[in-house]
Amino acid sequence: EVQVVESGGAPVQPGRSLRLSCAVSGSRFYEYGMHWVRQAPGKGPEWVAGISWNSGETGYGDSVKGRFIISRDNAKNSLYLQMYSLRSEDTALYFCVKDQGSSFTSGAFDIWGQGTMVAVS
Amino acid sequence: DIQLTQSPSSLSASVGHRVTITCQASQHTSNSINWYQQKPGKPPKLLIYDASNLNVGVPSRFFGGGFGTEFTFTINSLQPEDVAMYYCQQYALLPLTFGGGTKVEIE
Repeated sequence: EVQVVESGGAPVQPGRSLRLSCAVSGSRFYEYGMHWVRQAPGKGPEWVAGISWNSGETGYGDSVKGRFIISRDNAKNSLYLQMYSLRSEDTALYFCVKDQGSSFTSGAFDIWGQGTMVAVS
Repeated sequence: DIQLTQSPSSLSASVGHRVTITCQASQHTSNSINWYQQKPGKPPKLLIYDASNLNVGVPSRFFGGGFGTEFTFTINSLQPEDVAMYYCQQYALLPLTFGGGTKVEIE
């Protein structure tokens, strides 16, 4: 069974940085695209960033482009999200999500973690 | 960006009845639409991918269809455990986007 566990969420002041991590077990992590999807309290999901299986391609949502960087370490079965210049509107539960395919543009999020909370104030 | 408009935003129906949600895309998306179910305090769960394919382990009362800009999601014979938010999501064009969601309740 595939397990996805996020960590690194915390309260943080505006303008500061934070790094989220995600550990994936029970699957061939290196074969799949991965994503970060966030959900602000009481709102719908918002795609934040995606990365292909070999880190060859990445993509970002409009609201985080230029401030956030997604990366992965296949040797460690881990996904990361480096967040800079945090704003109050970045406050959300951040989910680490596995893609059905090797790219991140197949876009079907088939395995989700429970999320890690980032609170910017 | 591709905007996804879901309707209705909420609905209430009796157990055993059929409910249908629509998702309209602002641009042609081929069949690049997925549907998710989200219960309170839980992450979204993939139900339907590529507009009409049922994900593994998802009950067959869930059904998806459509192509281009108009998509539908149907629950045949609504069950109490289907109370949740439902979201469509497109992957035809970056950035990947979600619809605004539909809240499904039992009458």
